[in-house]
Amino acid sequence: DTEVTQTPKHLVMGMTNKKSLKCEQHMGHRAMYWYKQKAKKPPELMFVYSYEKLSINESVPSRFSPECPNSSLLNLHLHALQPEDSALYLCASSQGRGTGGETQYFGPGTRLLVL
Amino acid sequence: GEDVEQSLFLSVREGDSSVINCTYTDSSSTYLYWYKQEPGAGLQLLTYIFSNMDMKQDQRLTVLLNKKDKHLSLRIADTQTGDSAIYFCADYYGGATNKLIFGTGTLLAVQP
Repeated sequence: DTEVTQTPKHLVMGMTNKKSLKCEQHMGHRAMYWYKQKAKKPPELMFVYSYEKLSINESVPSRFSPECPNSSLLNLHLHALQPEDSALYLCASSQGRGTGGETQYFGPGTRLLVL
Repeated sequence: GEDVEQSLFLSVREGDSSVINCTYTDSSSTYLYWYKQEPGAGLQLLTYIFSNMDMKQDQRLTVLLNKKDKHLSLRIADTQTGDSAIYFCADYYGGATNKLIFGTGTLLAVQP
């Protein structure tokens, strides 16, 4: 099973709202990722967690706050977002052996619209 | 920094072969990937190739790697309308982090 699940599928929020995106995998992977994808563009890496520790933050604004409560779950907390943050947010996971070149498996994404 | 380029658009007729091309700049690439993205969906891993290989075949998919020219291609045999999607090549960017550098994506349109 190479499934990564994400909830919700769609989210509409105002600029003053607080919401969270959720990602889950049960493949025993120890590395998890958040990507942001704008229309007609490739995914852009936001955060990487390795063994439940934040290992990469690609200079993402603080209105995005990641959390990895356990090895199967990854959350992205959203607060005071801007309309330009509207995008498809993709979660991915990989084995996390740390040897490099690991295959990343992606979830279906959450389509976020900020009004 | 590392750069991965693809042509933006490819149109083929159903039943023909499709060839999607990708060039990259990282001379220390170890793994190169092909992902497929259908409208409104996430990325589906299609195949990958290790840098010590020249070719990899998986059913209708053939990946060719020319490491000297830093050129990667994906050939889809007997292209079907269900193959219409955006195809991304991705280069694993080395070091302690498992960072993928994605190409710009190629929109494949299959005409019936």
